[in-house]
Amino acid sequence: DIQMTQSPSSLSASVGDRVTITCRASESISTNLNWYQQKPGKAPNLFIYAASSFQSGVPSRFSGGGSGTDFTLTISGLQPEDFATYYCQQSYNIPHTFGQGTKVEIK
Amino acid sequence: QVQLQESGPGLVEPSQTLSLTCTVSGDFISHGSSYWTWIRQHPGKGLEWLGYIHYSGSTNYNPSLESRIAMSVDTSKNQFSLRLRSVNAADTAVYYCARDRSTTRYGKYFDYWGQGTLVTVSS
Repeated sequence: DIQMTQSPSSLSASVGDRVTITCRASESISTNLNWYQQKPGKAPNLFIYAASSFQSGVPSRFSGGGSGTDFTLTISGLQPEDFATYYCQQSYNIPHTFGQGTKVEIK
Repeated sequence: QVQLQESGPGLVEPSQTLSLTCTVSGDFISHGSSYWTWIRQHPGKGLEWLGYIHYSGSTNYNPSLESRIAMSVDTSKNQFSLRLRSVNAADTAVYYCARDRSTTRYGKYFDYWGQGTLVTVSS
């Protein structure tokens, strides 16, 4: 299985901050990397697919990048509604695997 | 608007079979580029992909569960189902169904999810 490792596991930030979450794959996955946002008690919500393409409705302050084994999700100008847990997921190989999640909390 | 809704018992006894159904609306389950997927989340934990089924009947399961899992599809009802045999406490989780959209240019991603259903394994 391809292991997905996110860092940090959690972070505290203030409204307006720039935040970057890293996701590393245990082997190359090209750009077959997706990002999801999950809020408590809710299903995950697709935010970015193919490493850098936005799902409809995702604010432009979110950006994704990377290829191969290293990927990033950046939020430029954190807003109150962005406090949530973010998961990366690889769709390169079966079984599809997720990172352990990064919880973004209010400082 | 595509919507998915899980249904099934919220409580299953140990060693029994967990059975869930996902009803899809707003899309045809026979849409060839979609793979109908089950994902679970243990309480307070991360996400685990269980497997998918295509409307043709082809399946792909997580090897960690392959001996216990089966999925089926009913195109006439626009539903797909999950069966997990011989459950134990470690199978207690929120179970989600999702659409895995497969594209040539952008790969595959889960673009629509059900709200999730908590299944507790306990006697």
